[in-house]
Amino acid sequence: GAVVSQHPSRVICKSGTSVKIECRSLDFQATTMFWYRQFPKQSLMLMATSNEGSKATYEQGVEKDKFLINHASLTLSTLTVTSAHPEDSSFYICSARGAGQDQPQHFGDGTRLSIL
Amino acid sequence: SQQGEEDPQALSIQEGENATMNCSYKTSINNLQWYRQNSGRGLVHLILIRSNEREKHSGRLRVTLDTSKKSSSLLITASRAADTASYFCATDAGYQKVTFGTGTKLQVIP
Repeated sequence: GAVVSQHPSRVICKSGTSVKIECRSLDFQATTMFWYRQFPKQSLMLMATSNEGSKATYEQGVEKDKFLINHASLTLSTLTVTSAHPEDSSFYICSARGAGQDQPQHFGDGTRLSIL
Repeated sequence: SQQGEEDPQALSIQEGENATMNCSYKTSINNLQWYRQNSGRGLVHLILIRSNEREKHSGRLRVTLDTSKKSSSLLITASRAADTASYFCATDAGYQKVTFGTGTKLQVIP
């Protein structure tokens, strides 16, 4: 099946640090990638949708200057949390989907971000 | 906002029993998907059912879709301890994004 690799799996850093998370589709071309945030015991909250080579579309309430998304190729998208603060601590999950109708999303294993 | 609401929020059953989870949604959809999430991990796609389909099977999984009621159910037969996880429905209404439900936490007791 389709494999999506997300790195790092866990990050612990000081307040004010910028953190980059990578999401790679290993065996298929991901025309669309999604970034989610998940709070404990809650569902996934979509942060943004990105298509290769174009700007990401952010959901309402998500600061695009805070959460920088780059989708430079059909296999790689990155999320950078700039000047992270403790309230940014969360579980971030990416997913990727190929072209065509009725395509499922394939998820990475998530990144646990802890800001001290 | 969440498109899907799942019911029950939590379910605990004995190994070997069947588990049924329900999902209701609000708007018209192209397809509905079910995913599983083990604690602290990403989601695993289980099954996708298109809006013109009423029932779909995959191994021990059976999914139904009733578009008139805007609801879907996921049945796991002969449950195993390894089925313990959270299960989410997700609706695809087009516009490139999928909206996830609130999830059902399933515990299968050996």
